[in-house]
Amino acid sequence: QVQLQESGPGLVKPSQILSLTCSVSGGAITSTSHHWIWFRQPAGKGLEWIGRIHVSGSPNYKSSLKRRVSISLDTSKNQFSLTLDSVTAADTAVYYCARSSSFLSFGVDVWGQGTAVTVSS
Amino acid sequence: DIVLTQSPGALSLSPGERATLSCRASQSVLSNYLAWYQQKPGQAPRLLIYGASSRATGIPDRFSGSGSGTDFALTIDRLEPEDSAVYFCQQYGGSPLITFGPGTKVDI
Repeated sequence: QVQLQESGPGLVKPSQILSLTCSVSGGAITSTSHHWIWFRQPAGKGLEWIGRIHVSGSPNYKSSLKRRVSISLDTSKNQFSLTLDSVTAADTAVYYCARSSSFLSFGVDVWGQGTAVTVSS
Repeated sequence: DIVLTQSPGALSLSPGERATLSCRASQSVLSNYLAWYQQKPGQAPRLLIYGASSRATGIPDRFSGSGSGTDFALTIDRLEPEDSAVYFCQQYGGSPLITFGPGTKVDI
């Protein structure tokens, strides 16, 4: 059973960099059937896709975040990471790492528990 | 950009009743790459339906998805109190690559 676990600081100052890591257990991040994804959800609001990465290709990012975001894979640690530059209060949210499966029509079938990030001085 | 609209915004029903949730896309959804998720307070979303009508592993057959193109629906038969949650539809393959509807809150 694949499990995902986010880690990173819960508080980030405005204009600084938000960095989160997702540790994958029970499955290999090198699987060609899966994409590894970051989402976020501000309190009381809907879900926003941030970006995704696959072992064989370049990452894809939401266009409105593209100039600030980077997602990378660390196959040696079976982890993937998110960095978001120049954060503002608008980046305050619960951040989820997740997995989509090509054999499920790219449905997102595994989610981390989420980690709350607050941007505040 | 592809926009998903869900209706109703909220629904209050009794145990044993049927819920029908609608999801409408501003453009045709690629290859019916439409999924439904259930999210309870303080929890991550859970995949219910993928490919518009296929149930994910472990999802009871009370949950069913239908539709194609721009109009999709999630039906929940024989509602149980544990079905109280927010339900999101999600498309894959458009622009942005992944988008969610605003959700329907179901109260049993």
